[in-house]
Amino acid sequence: RKEVEQDPGPFNVPEGATVAFNCTYSNSASQSFFWYRQDCRKEPKLLMSVYSSGNEDGRFTAQLNRASQYISLLIRDSKLSDSATYLCVVTLLSSGSARQLTFGSGTQLTVLP
Amino acid sequence: EPEVTQTPSHQVTQMGQEVILRCVPISNHLYFYWYRQILGQKVEFLVSFYNNEISEKSEIFDDQFSVERPDGSNFTLKIRSTKLEDSAMYFCASSALGNTEAFFGQGTRLTVV
Repeated sequence: RKEVEQDPGPFNVPEGATVAFNCTYSNSASQSFFWYRQDCRKEPKLLMSVYSSGNEDGRFTAQLNRASQYISLLIRDSKLSDSATYLCVVTLLSSGSARQLTFGSGTQLTVLP
Repeated sequence: EPEVTQTPSHQVTQMGQEVILRCVPISNHLYFYWYRQILGQKVEFLVSFYNNEISEKSEIFDDQFSVERPDGSNFTLKIRSTKLEDSAMYFCASSALGNTEAFFGQGTRLTVV
């Protein structure tokens, strides 16, 4: 079973639509959770951290369900500039002090005019 | 805005040759990382580095790979005797602390021919 699993998409949505991405992780010892976005042939960039209580940043809402080992990202009123690949990322409790990121394969989003 | 810089942006090398990928992390950061992304695949952790030593490494990071911080600013990844399957985008990242956001460089695209 993959450590972090995402629907690869692609999701093609019109501007203004609401779109939701889902992610599951296999290791119950996972410690921290994030959504990154990656534009074509660019580096991953942190979009937002995900907290158990759920958190919102403008048009973006992230939810975490530890019992189900499930993470979600909701994008409201999507813009053309939201077109990218969205990466679900988790970290594990590790013996080292540095935080190793485990990435999902990503979900591709294209927002259409 | 401070950023992680990587050089070169693209390197082509012959199979069996050694390559050194260079990174300048953000100046006050203490933790350094290398990740790689084979075309069309997910981002994979290679190694983390703190206090002048490797903190953690993945199964991918075998004896072919080594990292070094030769001076106060550079962080390098050396790949000895490159193989075709080493062709990938290599991302350097740094973070201020072990559990704070990691910032990624723009990557070096390595092509082994």
